[in-house]
Amino acid sequence: AQSVTQLDSQVPVFEEAPVELRCNYSSSVSVYLFWYVQYPNQGLQLLLKYLSGSTLVKSINGFEAEFNKSQTSFHLRKPSVHISDTAEYFCAVNWRGNSGGSNYKLTFGKGTLLTVNP
Amino acid sequence: DAGITQSPRHKVTETGTPVTLRCHQTENHRYMYWYRQDPGHGLRLIHYSYGVKDTDKGEVSDGYSVSRSKTEDFLLTLESATSSQTSVYFCAISERSYEQYFGPGTRLTVT
Repeated sequence: AQSVTQLDSQVPVFEEAPVELRCNYSSSVSVYLFWYVQYPNQGLQLLLKYLSGSTLVKSINGFEAEFNKSQTSFHLRKPSVHISDTAEYFCAVNWRGNSGGSNYKLTFGKGTLLTVNP
Repeated sequence: DAGITQSPRHKVTETGTPVTLRCHQTENHRYMYWYRQDPGHGLRLIHYSYGVKDTDKGEVSDGYSVSRSKTEDFLLTLESATSSQTSVYFCAISERSYEQYFGPGTRLTVT
C-alpha cells in the first residue's frame, strides 16, 4: 500500500535555529508532493508543492523542500525559525499512476508538531 | 482563501443519533473530500466526490455516507453516531491542479 512517513511526531527548536522536518513516501513512481501547515484550531493551509521542474521549491515565508526521487523523500527545511512557525506540518503525496477519480486523492503523513521556543 | 465553509463548526450529539455535516464551496471545483483528523493518525480520507452524484469511498468509510446533489455542496452523514466518530472533520476541494484546499473544520463530539 502507498504510504507517507513523517519520521518525527514532535520537533522542538529554539527561535532562530534551523529546522528540518522529514517526509518519506513508499513508491518511486511519478508523484506530486505537498506540505501543509495547520495552526492551532485552524484548517490546513498549503505551504508549498512540487509538481514538476526544479526539485527545490520554496514558500513565501522562508520554508523550502527538495524532491529527492532516489530517496523518495521531500524534506521541509527552514534556516531560521520564528515563534510564529509553531504549528503542525503535514506531508502529502498524490501518486500519479492511480486511475480515475483516485488520481486526485492525497495520502497524508501523520504530521510533525513543530514547537519554536524563545 | 478558497471559499469553503463548513457547518456546523461545533456539535455535541448522543450515541445513536444521526448527524449531517455540510461543506459548501463557492469555487466551482469538481472534487470534494471529507477527512477526519485524530491525534496520532493525521488526516484520513472518509469519502470523496469527483462530480455531482459521483462519490467513492476512502480508507475509513464505515459508518459514514455522503451525498452531492449540487456542485457546491457535499454532505457527510453519520447514520447512527458512535463515540469512535468523535473527531474533527475537514472538507477539502480541488480542481485539476491537484492541491487541495481545506475548510475550517467541524469538531464533533459523540457522548
